[in-house]
Amino acid sequence: DGGITQSPKYLFRKEGQNVTLSCEQNLNHDAMYWYRQDPGQGLRLIYYSQIVNDFQKGDIAEGYSVSREKKESFPLTVTSAQKNPTAFYLCASSIRAGNSYNEQFFGPGTRLTVL
Amino acid sequence: QKEVEQNSGPLSVPEGAIASLNCTYSDRVSQSFFWYRQYSGKSPELIMSIYSNGDKEDGRFTAQLNKASQYVSLLIRDSQPSDSATYLCAVIKAAGNKLTFGGGTRVLVKP
Repeated sequence: DGGITQSPKYLFRKEGQNVTLSCEQNLNHDAMYWYRQDPGQGLRLIYYSQIVNDFQKGDIAEGYSVSREKKESFPLTVTSAQKNPTAFYLCASSIRAGNSYNEQFFGPGTRLTVL
Repeated sequence: QKEVEQNSGPLSVPEGAIASLNCTYSDRVSQSFFWYRQYSGKSPELIMSIYSNGDKEDGRFTAQLNKASQYVSLLIRDSQPSDSATYLCAVIKAAGNKLTFGGGTRVLVKP
């Protein structure tokens, strides 16, 4: 089965803890992305990576960190510096076409709650 | 002004009718445009992509792009209760490859 997997589906974090969300894809896509979605709102970009060992900050990177050691994996760490981490976290990937990365496909998401 | 704007709704349509959703964007050089459907509690699903002016049809869905007026729309013909969802408009600017999303329009199809 080709696709994007995210784990865990639900995650609970105590204040002051770092937690890592997993994202794996077997689509051979070049680029991967992390978004955050708050209730009733659209998606906001946290980080993205177009090639292995390289990544860029999105619009709301503060309090988050990522790594891209393998093409198929792009984990996101929510650090204790992120003051309001409760949200729905979505990972996406896209293939490169020329100099563009177009259609993005999403994983099932991880719902993070701070206790 | 938000980069991508949508009416939040809800847009209520009777079953069998046409649902018409609109999206405007601020960056004139935007190149690629997408519509995603998101059911409550689920992740977005890509339903349409459009890159050039005019209409693009796929089944009951038609996307319309007008770059001069900076809007993209989505028509859902013969609306079904299963079409009840939030529809997200997304745009890629020419200068980068980041996807910028609108806030979404909630559609309710009533039997």
